[in-house]
Amino acid sequence: GAGVSQSPSNKVTEKGKDVELRCDPISGHTALYWYRQSLGQGLEFLIYFQGNSAPDKSGLPSDRFSAERTGGSVSTLTIQRTQQEDSAVYLCASSRDTRRNSPLHFGNGTRLTVT
Amino acid sequence: DAKTTQPNSMESNEEEPVHLPCNHSTISGTDYIHWYRQLPSQGPEYVIHGLTSNVNNRMASLAIAEDRKSSTLILHRATLRDAAVYYCILNTGTASKLTFGTGTRLQVTL
Repeated sequence: GAGVSQSPSNKVTEKGKDVELRCDPISGHTALYWYRQSLGQGLEFLIYFQGNSAPDKSGLPSDRFSAERTGGSVSTLTIQRTQQEDSAVYLCASSRDTRRNSPLHFGNGTRLTVT
Repeated sequence: DAKTTQPNSMESNEEEPVHLPCNHSTISGTDYIHWYRQLPSQGPEYVIHGLTSNVNNRMASLAIAEDRKSSTLILHRATLRDAAVYYCILNTGTASKLTFGTGTRLQVTL
């Protein structure tokens, strides 16, 4: 079946511009997660959704970052006034639910480059 | 949060078994042990998970120590396509929010 889909796969933007990253989770998955991975680094948790609610936003680096999820499906991560340190691969994952034995299924990410 | 310790890198020859170790001495009774791998330029891929008993699936086997303070991911016959970074993670939270460490980079050679 279809996996997690992210778009765009690559995005180059100028410093100060806003960007929107999109994630289409696996159909029926109630939980959705955003991570980012800087070059050569591990994954950094940003935010997760249960349905349309975001119980844990603790990983968002600043108030320039926001995310929403509508209809319990598609999610958008928005970065306002982008900075060069925002350059990274942004990864989305979904899982059937939030139980500890539910595997996460990741997309291949959006590579964001801020020039 | 309970943490895991893995070797930074390992090497294997193709078609030989690979045993990837993970220490998690502060694991609690309800923590699940998850393994993911990340191939170059791709998102992480789920491999296997377990709680107390050993687990097998089409990709790998997971051997969990009796005291649960360590586990081993076993690839029965390594192929070049298994070259990746392997992450051992404890799912300790209520939201399946996983904390990724630096993992073990597995190199597979002919």
